Amino acid sequence: AAGVIQSPRHLIKEKRETATLKCYPIPRHDTVYWYQQGPGQDPQFLISFYEKMQSDKGSIPDRFSAQQFSDYHSELNMSSLELGDSALYFCASSWRRGGLETEAFFGQGTRLTVV
Amino acid sequence: AQSVSQHNHHVILSEAASLELGCNYSYGGTVNLFWYVQYPGQHLQLLLKYFSGDPLVKGIKGFEAEFIKSKFSFNLRKPSVQWSDTAEYFCAVNSPGSARQLTFGSGTQLTVLP
Repeated sequence: AAGVIQSPRHLIKEKRETATLKCYPIPRHDTVYWYQQGPGQDPQFLISFYEKMQSDKGSIPDRFSAQQFSDYHSELNMSSLELGDSALYFCASSWRRGGLETEAFFGQGTRLTVV
Repeated sequence: AQSVSQHNHHVILSEAASLELGCNYSYGGTVNLFWYVQYPGQHLQLLLKYFSGDPLVKGIKGFEAEFIKSKFSFNLRKPSVQWSDTAEYFCAVNSPGSARQLTFGSGTQLTVLP
């Protein structure tokens, strides 16, 4: 079965650079979530989209932005990178339309290292 | 706001021992409850979920969890652990009626000794 695809899997950037992370949700899923997991930490919710519209916002820094495109893939744009942005970034997708709801399925994650 | 507490940060067991990981949440409304497992360097995989119905839910790999509404708990259990169960376990909750993003507990690192 198709899963959530994230790219790239690993990314190394220097401080003050920008990074773009991509997420391709499971086909027909209508909701995409982004989470950040620092070393030894639990995943923290950043932002979500429902049907290509921003749905909820968590602890996402102003330096970060995200969007969901017409083909439902999503991109997380990160600017002015800081050392503290080094983390594993997970994308997840789910289905919640029509009163039915599935659990969130997670991608493999993108490990971002800022040096 | 909802929160999730996992009281055991690190659990060490021998193979064949029984496991119970505690999870308590704070939220007064209807919740969906989840247990995810994360093997080293890997993504989060769903072990089991509770949306409604029978409060005793069975998941993959012999895991089960019991939702006790009066105690706001959703403890994870396995009668006999294996070395391959060594991983980090996260309890999570979301609210079906509104925001659906997951709130995770701080995780429990389980180490099973062969």
